[in-house]
Amino acid sequence: AQSVSQHNHHVILSEAASLELGCNYSYGGTVNLFWYVQYPGQHLQLLLKYFSGDPLVKGIKGFEAEFIKSKFSFNLRKPSVQWSDTAEYFCAVTILTGGGNKLTFGTGTQLKVEL
Amino acid sequence: EAGVAQSPRYKIIEKRQSVAFWCNPISGHATLYWYQQILGQGPKLLIQFQNNGVVDDSQLPKDRFSAERLKGVDSTLKIQPAKLEDSAVYLCASSLVSEQFFGPGTRLTVL
Repeated sequence: AQSVSQHNHHVILSEAASLELGCNYSYGGTVNLFWYVQYPGQHLQLLLKYFSGDPLVKGIKGFEAEFIKSKFSFNLRKPSVQWSDTAEYFCAVTILTGGGNKLTFGTGTQLKVEL
Repeated sequence: EAGVAQSPRYKIIEKRQSVAFWCNPISGHATLYWYQQILGQGPKLLIQFQNNGVVDDSQLPKDRFSAERLKGVDSTLKIQPAKLEDSAVYLCASSLVSEQFFGPGTRLTVL
């Protein structure tokens, strides 16, 4: 079964610092990749997704992620974080070989941005 | 566009009691999912419906958990009897094609 690893469980940054959150998955076949965000008190919402094509995808609020197939990675980046980016971030994967649309999530990274 | 609705938002019960959660997906979304999110972990899929048929329930503890989606719209998830380890947030999501939209979740505490 596929698995998703997020290496950083808690990250604390100052405003304007750059952000990179790691995500690796274990499945060797064709995948769709997602980053979801959960702001305090709110529900999970999609930040960005990769299905095919350009491996550098841009999402909402200035976030981007790069799919590196050889490394089974889909790291999330933002050049300059804001206090409002404080949230929990989840990487997720679906496999495309009859697995339906089943999302497998990582354990999440809690990001705190300090003023 | 209205989002995925869930109720109740919070529930506290004692172990061995029963509990039910309700989900109303986004209108027109054929696929509905129930996830369990234990504190400190990512959401884990419990069951996936396509219209009113089950697509995947491989991770649903069927001795105590049950779910149904009558008429291919609303869904209920039931736990009977609850155990302490069932304390979690239960998320409902729906999708039309590939992107899943999540509801606010029901936070269950089992004492």
